[in-house]
Amino acid sequence: DQQVKQNSPSLSVQEGRISILNCDYTNSMFDYFLWYKKYPAEGPTFLISISSIKDKNEDGRFTVFLNKSAKHLSLHIVPSQPGDSAVYFCAAVRRIKIIFGKGTRLHILP
Amino acid sequence: NAGVTQTPKFQVLKTGQSMTLQCAQDMNHNSMYWYRQDPGMGLRLIYYSASEGTTDKGEVPNGYNVSRLNKREFSLRLESAAPSQTSVYFCASSASSSYNEQFFGPGTRLTVL
Repeated sequence: DQQVKQNSPSLSVQEGRISILNCDYTNSMFDYFLWYKKYPAEGPTFLISISSIKDKNEDGRFTVFLNKSAKHLSLHIVPSQPGDSAVYFCAAVRRIKIIFGKGTRLHILP
Repeated sequence: NAGVTQTPKFQVLKTGQSMTLQCAQDMNHNSMYWYRQDPGMGLRLIYYSASEGTTDKGEVPNGYNVSRLNKREFSLRLESAAPSQTSVYFCASSASSSYNEQFFGPGTRLTVL
């Protein structure tokens, strides 16, 4: 029973364009959501988070949107850069419990 | 400033052997965490320590024990390794017990034969 789903295993985007990574969840009781970025042979790096009471949070090139009625969040990266090529995980938190999605591999094409 | 360090980087064990994975952070963080990541999967929380002297079970604690030795160090012990524990193990720390802005170590790749 996957509570946090990233349905696209991979995504390819042209450099300079917008990358949109999607995440769906099933439990409406999550308190907040996070996005992490992971390069091979390294630990994940925290990118951005959003509280369940917000619908948008922005940090530089990264914006996360939360649609509570659809139980859907998305990470927008604008403009996409070569260094953005990595695996992106979304995660949902309820009190002390954290659930990660399986990740989406983003390829930025030159 | 090394951040979060983990030792060893790689380890191969035979079924039934024991070992301890070490984790240390130099950021004066209160909370520390152990995760495992299996191929094609997201991370799963094994144990966490909200502050020095406390530890609590996460999503997948069976087969593991932890020790929060001091504020800097949080170790993960496998008493009797099983092939199902083959995984990459990540340690993380954060200033508070919120998962926001966790800092992760580079991981330990463990294979149990």
